[in-house]
Amino acid sequence: SQTIHQWPATLVQPVGSPLSLECTVEGTSNPNLYWYRQAAGRGLQLLFYSVGIGQISSEVPQNLSASRPQDRQFILSSKKLLLSDSGFYLCACRRVLRGSGGDTQYFGPGTRLTVL
Amino acid sequence: GENVEQHPSTLSVQEGDSAVIKCTYSDSASNYFPWYKQELGKRPQLIIDIRSNVGEKKDQRIAVTLNKTAKHFSLHITETQPEDSAVYFCAASRGGGSNYKLTFGKGTLLTVNP
Repeated sequence: SQTIHQWPATLVQPVGSPLSLECTVEGTSNPNLYWYRQAAGRGLQLLFYSVGIGQISSEVPQNLSASRPQDRQFILSSKKLLLSDSGFYLCACRRVLRGSGGDTQYFGPGTRLTVL
Repeated sequence: GENVEQHPSTLSVQEGDSAVIKCTYSDSASNYFPWYKQELGKRPQLIIDIRSNVGEKKDQRIAVTLNKTAKHFSLHITETQPEDSAVYFCAASRGGGSNYKLTFGKGTLLTVNP
């Protein structure tokens, strides 16, 4: 079965510093991968998704970027963090559901980012 | 694109009572509707889902109903317990295809009081 890893688990960064969050997936190949952000007490905002190596779709314009250098690796980056970038960053993977004839998304454990 | 509205935003019930959360969607082509439960500080976890070819699905104390004509679906939790306290998200998608995405509702904070 699929396992999603996210690193680091928590991060405190000063405003204006760079950011790199990593998501890796085991147990599948060529998965669709997604980055979500969740501000405190808020819903899930889709930031980027990727259907393959080097293929990135951006959902919301902002100072973040994403890259997919390998099949099972998805990276979220920023050159200069803003206070508003604080939140819970979740990586998700598309998974085919056996028996139900469809697919869904499963989430990684998340990275909690605080920008001071 | 798809738009999912979720109500209520907060819900407080007594232990043992039932809880109902409702969602509406805008894209008539949507055919897959999952529900996620997110406990404080944790990742969202898929708890139940339904596809457009069925009207109801049940798994122990939780059930989901779908009305395609009205474009709404609901989560029902019976005999609520304190451990059911969490934020619940509904979502919708067209399913399949290379650009598969879920559109989420804004969430419902459910509190079950002992």
